[in-house]
Amino acid sequence: DSGVTQTPKHLITATGQRVTLRCSPRSGDLSVYWYQQSLDQGLQFLIQYYNGEERAKGNILERFSAQQFPDLHSELNLSSLELGDSALYFCASSEAGATYEQYFGPGTRLTVT
Amino acid sequence: ILNVEQSPQSLHVQEGDSTNFTCSFPSSNFYALHWYRWETAKSPEALFVMTLNGDEKKKGRISATLNTKEGYSYLYIKGSQPEDSATYLCASSNQGGKLIFGQGTELSVKP
Repeated sequence: DSGVTQTPKHLITATGQRVTLRCSPRSGDLSVYWYQQSLDQGLQFLIQYYNGEERAKGNILERFSAQQFPDLHSELNLSSLELGDSALYFCASSEAGATYEQYFGPGTRLTVT
Repeated sequence: ILNVEQSPQSLHVQEGDSTNFTCSFPSSNFYALHWYRWETAKSPEALFVMTLNGDEKKKGRISATLNTKEGYSYLYIKGSQPEDSATYLCASSNQGGKLIFGQGTELSVKP
């Protein structure tokens, strides 16, 4: 158990809908990262937050947004969902920035039908 | 090299064999190199984070080296065991914090 929690574990929704994925980092970790793993691609970095502020952005679509709250938990919002958004979404946390080990949560499996 | 590349794509070894994989990454604007171990149906598990040229890290039978000038890192597993079977991922980070992952090396260790 990494200490990072993600909810829900599974999510099935229809195209055009909007969903929110939630992540609670390990106690004491200030950075939260979001990743997407789809079948045809490897692990893709989406976005990083550090202590409530956006720190780095990867291949995140404009339909997706994220935020980190004062209690350091983070939410990833996915809107106008398409079939291609079906994927495993991981959250990871670390003490600070890119030179620290990242601890991954169990992931949320999103299926868009 | 614009992307992070790993080789080989897959590797099948016998128990007790030692093995190594390569991760190539853009050397310009390099900040940190991460290695992860990812077992099927589980989450990636951090192995090492390295930043300095010539850095060498070890955890049990697994070790890694880093060459930031030429843009490569090696991961070594000594005396492979069946429980080492997993996909080994590397990811390179620039100073901005953006991480780019390789496609991974899938290791299968047969008893």
